[in-house]
Amino acid sequence: DQQVKQNSPSLSVQEGRISILNCDYTNSMFDYFLWYKKYPAEGPTFLISISSIKDKNEDGRFTVFLNKSAKHLSLHIVPSQPGDSAVYFCAAKGAQKLVFGQGTRLTINP
Amino acid sequence: NAGVMQNPRHLVRRRGQEARLRCSPMKGHSHVYWYRQLPEEGLKFMVYLQKENIIDESGMPKERFSAEFPKEGPSILRIQQVVRGDSAAYFCASSPRVDGDEQFFGPGTRLTVL
Repeated sequence: DQQVKQNSPSLSVQEGRISILNCDYTNSMFDYFLWYKKYPAEGPTFLISISSIKDKNEDGRFTVFLNKSAKHLSLHIVPSQPGDSAVYFCAAKGAQKLVFGQGTRLTINP
Repeated sequence: NAGVMQNPRHLVRRRGQEARLRCSPMKGHSHVYWYRQLPEEGLKFMVYLQKENIIDESGMPKERFSAEFPKEGPSILRIQQVVRGDSAAYFCASSPRVDGDEQFFGPGTRLTVL
């Protein structure tokens, strides 16, 4: 059973535009949500997070939105830059462990 | 301040051999987590350890896999009698406290079983 789902395996966005990555979850007990960025042959790098008691967290070009009633979160990157091209994983925290989605490969086109 | 360190970065084993993967957490971090990533999939939790204790091993296969985090030295993930299906990237993460929300990941060990 996939508790965290990223339904878009890939996304292509033009440089300078907004990138929106989506994530859905099923377990209402998750209390913290995180986004990681991953380059090939490297470990995931922490990007931004949000507590379940909030609905928005912003850090520079990155904003995460949480809709608890819909069990949905999204990551907005604006403006998108070529260096943002990577695989993005959303993760949900419950009982001290992270449950990851399958990842979305983001490609920023010049 | 060095990040999470893992070695080796690449490990090749033949079927039936043993694989030992090492993880040194970030300085000051006493909580270690191991995850496995199969090709084209997300990371899957395997085990959560604190110094000398296994806290949660609900993601570990029941056979052939074991983990430890001794008082001194790195955390070790051990896979005995490896099979082709064990080929994957194994990532270690650490956090500074039990209620730490962010986990910081190492570069991973890519295990290939021939």
